[in-house]
Amino acid sequence: EDQVTQSPEALRLQEGESSSLNCSYTVSGLRGLFWYRQDPGKGPEFLFTLYSAGEEKEKERLKATLTKKESFLHITAPKPEDSATYLCAVQTSGNTPLVFGKGTRLSVIA
Amino acid sequence: DAGVIQSPRHEVTEMGQEVTLRCKPISGHNSLFWYRQTMMRGLELLIYFNNNVPIDDSGMPEDRFSAKMPNASFSTLKIQPSEPRDSAVYFCASSAQGYEQYFGPGTRLTVT
Repeated sequence: EDQVTQSPEALRLQEGESSSLNCSYTVSGLRGLFWYRQDPGKGPEFLFTLYSAGEEKEKERLKATLTKKESFLHITAPKPEDSATYLCAVQTSGNTPLVFGKGTRLSVIA
Repeated sequence: DAGVIQSPRHEVTEMGQEVTLRCKPISGHNSLFWYRQTMMRGLELLIYFNNNVPIDDSGMPEDRFSAKMPNASFSTLKIQPSEPRDSAVYFCASSAQGYEQYFGPGTRLTVT
């Protein structure tokens, strides 16, 4: 059974304090690993897709990386507006559902 | 692009009543997914369609749940009869050719 585990469950950072969120996965075969951001009362918002080990993608203060067993979402010099829940998900083949982790709830304090 | 549209945004109903949730996917997307989100279990797939055809409904909790996709621009998720344990946020998502999925704003369902 495909599984995704995210850690930590919650993370509190001071503004400007860089950190990383972890997503470890166990799948029969990985087609893609996805990162989403979810704000309270809203649907998940797509951030990145990673397809192969060694791949990296960046967007503003966020950088996602992928190995054969896990992915990291690095947040550099975060701002309060980066506060949200970050969800990781895996997909084993095209046009199939995503299997989600339970997310990391990030709070950035000014 | 208007994104994925869901209605209603909030639904409060009494146990035993029928509930119908609606979804309009992004135009041109050929896959549609219904997920449910709870604090305890996170986001879980209920059912998904490719080209309007149901592919996997193994996530549908019971026969009380049913879903249809009569055309490429509309899908419904029906719960009959509803129970308090069905209270959750229900999301619809769509994708094009198996790429990233885009989620709607969700329907928050409360069954009393």
